[in-house]
Amino acid sequence: SQELEQSPQSLIVQEGKNLTINCTSSKTLYGLYWYKQKYGEGLIFLMMLQKGGEEKSHEKITAKLDEKKQQSSLHITASQPSHAGIYLCGADLNQGGKLIFGQGTELSVKP
Amino acid sequence: DAGVTQSPTHLIKTRGQQVTLRCSPKSGHDTVSWYQQALGQGPQFIFQYYEEEERQRGNFPDRFSGHQFPNYSSELNVNALLLGDSALYLCASSRLGDTQYFGPGTRLTVL
Repeated sequence: SQELEQSPQSLIVQEGKNLTINCTSSKTLYGLYWYKQKYGEGLIFLMMLQKGGEEKSHEKITAKLDEKKQQSSLHITASQPSHAGIYLCGADLNQGGKLIFGQGTELSVKP
Repeated sequence: DAGVTQSPTHLIKTRGQQVTLRCSPKSGHDTVSWYQQALGQGPQFIFQYYEEEERQRGNFPDRFSGHQFPNYSSELNVNALLLGDSALYLCASSRLGDTQYFGPGTRLTVL
């Protein structure tokens, strides 16, 4: 089974709607990264969360880390077509520099 | 300031051949990590280089090897290519232990 599980695997939303993507770890989280990827391209760094309860925002995207639940959520407010893409959570579960990734959540935003 | 660059963009090889992929890190970064991303999956860690040494390795066979040069750029070599090696190969650079920034990737197709 995956060390990082993302849900949902895919999401189609109407433009202007809010949405949430979850990332759950099977191991203790010492920090969690969120990246965005356009199909077939590289990963774009969105934000990194280090401490439990930490919340960060980047434009209309907010991410939170719940250390106790070993989970992070990414919330997009008032989605736009530019938000479409694949969202990936990644974590350095062994604190050695090796990032483990979830399988990704593919987001489509209908105009 | 140029970000992480990779070459070539696309590559087509046949089974049994050898391939070399190249990566130039972001200015100021001394660590390079390589990932393999199969279609519909999250990236899988191959290895990480720091100070011209392989610092960590993922679960990949010895056919996958790498090198880091004194200017911090890096190469990924894959010998005896298999059909299953077809994937997007991503390079990420960072300062050691810090956030990893990804290049645009090299799409390798093995026929």
